[in-house]
Amino acid sequence: QKEVEQNSGPLSVPEGAIASLNCTYSDRGSQSFFWYRQYSGKSPELIMFIYSNGDKEDGRFTAQLNKASQYVSLLIRDSQPSDSATYLCAVKTENYKLSFGAGTTVTVRA
Amino acid sequence: DAEITQSPRHKITETGRQVTLACHQTWNHNNMFWYRQDLGHGLRLIHYSYGVHDTNKGEVSDGYSVSRSNTEDLPLTLESAASSQTSVYFCASNEDGYNYGYTFGSGTRLTVV
Repeated sequence: QKEVEQNSGPLSVPEGAIASLNCTYSDRGSQSFFWYRQYSGKSPELIMFIYSNGDKEDGRFTAQLNKASQYVSLLIRDSQPSDSATYLCAVKTENYKLSFGAGTTVTVRA
Repeated sequence: DAEITQSPRHKITETGRQVTLACHQTWNHNNMFWYRQDLGHGLRLIHYSYGVHDTNKGEVSDGYSVSRSNTEDLPLTLESAASSQTSVYFCASNEDGYNYGYTFGSGTRLTVV
């Protein structure tokens, strides 16, 4: 079993809709969780991090964490064409290093 | 402004040659990491360092080495390049602390022919 798994996608949503991305992790001791956005040919950029159970909102992005279910999600509200990218879930499993999921590619249709 | 830079951006090399990819950060971060990214595999950890003279193997370290002689630099060396090492390589760094993510470099696209 991989340490971090994401729904494989690709995910296609119409402009203005909500995109929902899911991630599960295997290490119950994981403490912090990150979402990165990666445009084609570019490096990943951090968009959200969360370490407490519940929801965390930042603009149109909401991260949700449920440690009991070992589940973290990212919601993108009012999706825009500029949100079209690959989204990477990352989990801090040991000291300061991150384990990444394979990513979910999102396409927002105008 | 602080930054993390990788060089070269693109590299083509021949099988069997030794290749070194550079990573330099001015964040004064103790922690530095090298990943490779391939379709279908996501980001896989090659080597990492938690400080000067500290280096550790990641999940795909065979055929790669690193050394850390100062805080700013973590060069990645491919001892004898193989076609299976054709990939995009990312360097990253972060601060100590469980709620800090990575800052990534812009990546190096390496092709081994």
